[in-house]
Amino acid sequence: DTAVSQTPKYLVTQMGNDKSIKCEQNLGHDTMYWYKQDSKKFLKIMFSYNNKELIINETVPNRFSPKSPDKAHLNLHINSLELGDSAVYFCASSPDLWGGYTFGSGTRLTVV
Amino acid sequence: AQTVTQSQPEMSVQEAETVTLSCTYDTSESNYYLFWYKQPPSRQMILVIRQEAYKQQNATENRFSVNFQKAAKSFSLKISDSQLGDTAMYFCAFHSPNQGGKLIFGQGTELSVKP
Repeated sequence: DTAVSQTPKYLVTQMGNDKSIKCEQNLGHDTMYWYKQDSKKFLKIMFSYNNKELIINETVPNRFSPKSPDKAHLNLHINSLELGDSAVYFCASSPDLWGGYTFGSGTRLTVV
Repeated sequence: AQTVTQSQPEMSVQEAETVTLSCTYDTSESNYYLFWYKQPPSRQMILVIRQEAYKQQNATENRFSVNFQKAAKSFSLKISDSQLGDTAMYFCAFHSPNQGGKLIFGQGTELSVKP
């Protein structure tokens, strides 16, 4: 039973399309995150939610919209995809703001 | 703002030998955590070791240990008896609860263990 699961694992799509990545955690954690890993493997936070409330929005374009329907889910919707959005997107969760992260296995998004 | 710097983009080590990966950070916080994560080719992010800033004792986990120098803001990772399975990208990361729980990562060090 995967603790933090992301779907899909791979996503290839054309420029201009809209796509979503789903994340679910079964750990009972209060906080969930989205991180982006670029082509140079640099990891940077995009968003964090604590008990469905947005805590961090780290200067991400408006085309990216996170949605947390409940504490166990944090989805990422991306509008009007651009070539520069190609990256690996990681979902993660932690019991609180003190850390103890569990990462998902990542979603490799390729925009062509 | 907090920053994390890993100055070694790539390193290699012979199997069974010891290697040290460097990490420095900058913060004005007094209460924080530091982590080393391993990312093998499978791209899974795996926690290697964690250090609480208020603890003077260096953390150890089997073959992995850290040298935490708080005054110097240095947090290096030592891998003893290197194994082929240690081949991976290693990330140093900083975390403070005052920053909304986010992890701030260094640029990563790609470690190759050679037979």
